[in-house]
Amino acid sequence: GAVVSQHPSRVICKSGTSVKIECRSLDFQATTMFWYRQFPKQSLMLMATSNEGSKATYEQGVEKDKFLINHASLTLSTLTVTSAHPEDSSFYICSAQGQVIGNTIYFGEGSWLTVV
Amino acid sequence: AQKITQTQPGMFVQEKEAVTLDCTYDTSDPSYGLFWYKQPSSGEMIFLIYQGSYDQQNATEGRYSLNFQKARKSANLVISASQLGDSAMYFCAMREGSYGQNFVFGPGTRLSVLP
Repeated sequence: GAVVSQHPSRVICKSGTSVKIECRSLDFQATTMFWYRQFPKQSLMLMATSNEGSKATYEQGVEKDKFLINHASLTLSTLTVTSAHPEDSSFYICSAQGQVIGNTIYFGEGSWLTVV
Repeated sequence: AQKITQTQPGMFVQEKEAVTLDCTYDTSDPSYGLFWYKQPSSGEMIFLIYQGSYDQQNATEGRYSLNFQKARKSANLVISASQLGDSAMYFCAMREGSYGQNFVFGPGTRLSVLP
């Protein structure tokens, strides 16, 4: 299947700092990338949808100024958590879709963020 | 309203036996896709199987098969010959529309395979 790589897999940052998470599609062009957040023992919560070259569409309740999403190329999307707060500690996972992989969405490995 | 329902928060199965994980969905769109993903404790999401609403036959992928009952709006995942490595969270998901971006997940079922 198609490969989506997410980096870093684990990151610890101090309150007030910003942290960037990268999501790359390694063997296909991802026209759309999705960013999810998952709280312990819960399902995935969609944060935003990003199409290459355009602004991301955020879900209701997600602060766009806090969670900056950039999808500058067909193989890379980034999520930047700005002014991180301990409540932002969570598991973040991206996924990507592209024409070559039909209707399936493939996920990155996920990133564990801990804000101290 | 819940679009994807997984009524089994946790399931146990003996190694080498088959297990069925339930999933029901709700949509008025005639075109949709149903997916199952596996999430081990490491957190990564692994795509298992896909069923399109117009597919005539039930999808199969190795030990995974999807019992698709369109009239009942159910898409149960069947895992045959369970292995210890199958212990994980399993999520049912649906995308509405042929290339729609509305992708919703169920709450998940935690499967534990017993030796």
